[in-house]
Amino acid sequence: DGGITQSPKYLFRKEGQNVTLSCEQNLNHDAMYWYRQDPGQGLRLIYYSQIVNDFQKGDIAEGYSVSREKKESFPLTVTSAQKNPTAFYLCASRTGSGRDTQYFGPGTRLTVL
Amino acid sequence: GDSVTQMEGPVTLSEEAFLTINCTYTATGYPSLFWYVQYPGEGLQLLLKATKADDKGSNKGFEATYRKETTSFHLEKGSVQVSDSAVYFCALSTPSGYSTLTFGKGTMLLVSP
Repeated sequence: DGGITQSPKYLFRKEGQNVTLSCEQNLNHDAMYWYRQDPGQGLRLIYYSQIVNDFQKGDIAEGYSVSREKKESFPLTVTSAQKNPTAFYLCASRTGSGRDTQYFGPGTRLTVL
Repeated sequence: GDSVTQMEGPVTLSEEAFLTINCTYTATGYPSLFWYVQYPGEGLQLLLKATKADDKGSNKGFEATYRKETTSFHLEKGSVQVSDSAVYFCALSTPSGYSTLTFGKGTMLLVSP
């Protein structure tokens, strides 16, 4: 089945540790996105990538880093510099033109202990 | 910049009641408009979309019409079910190079039997 997978579903981290969230898609989509969701808030864009080896900062990129070495994969690293990392993280992908739909993965809930 | 405003929730309805969730937007150019739905602990699923003025998106009994003159994209359903209980997000994207999504804050819908 085609889709977007995120792992793990739940992740716990101690303060001061970096952690990497996985996002993989087999939809052959060019563009991929990372969003952060906090309770009662909409989704805020962290990073996005249109093609391999290219990515752009979104609205809240501070304390996060990404890589795009393969078309299928767009991992997100939450660094110790992120002041309030506890949140629900969603990965999405899209193909074609700007009017095409973004499809979302199931999300990873990160909790900092 | 682009923005989306949704009515605040929660919206509480009895089964078979009529649903309206208001959404208005501010954007340059001619955005595409989307409604996504999120069930507890899950990612976002596309509910419907419209890409140009006067288009009507529809799916699973839900409808929304792209109204350029009022910059609105209100979500409606004639008869809600308990299974429709979820958070609904209105979003827009503009057909620029990276075509990121701008989300409203979401509206929680609670349907009781």
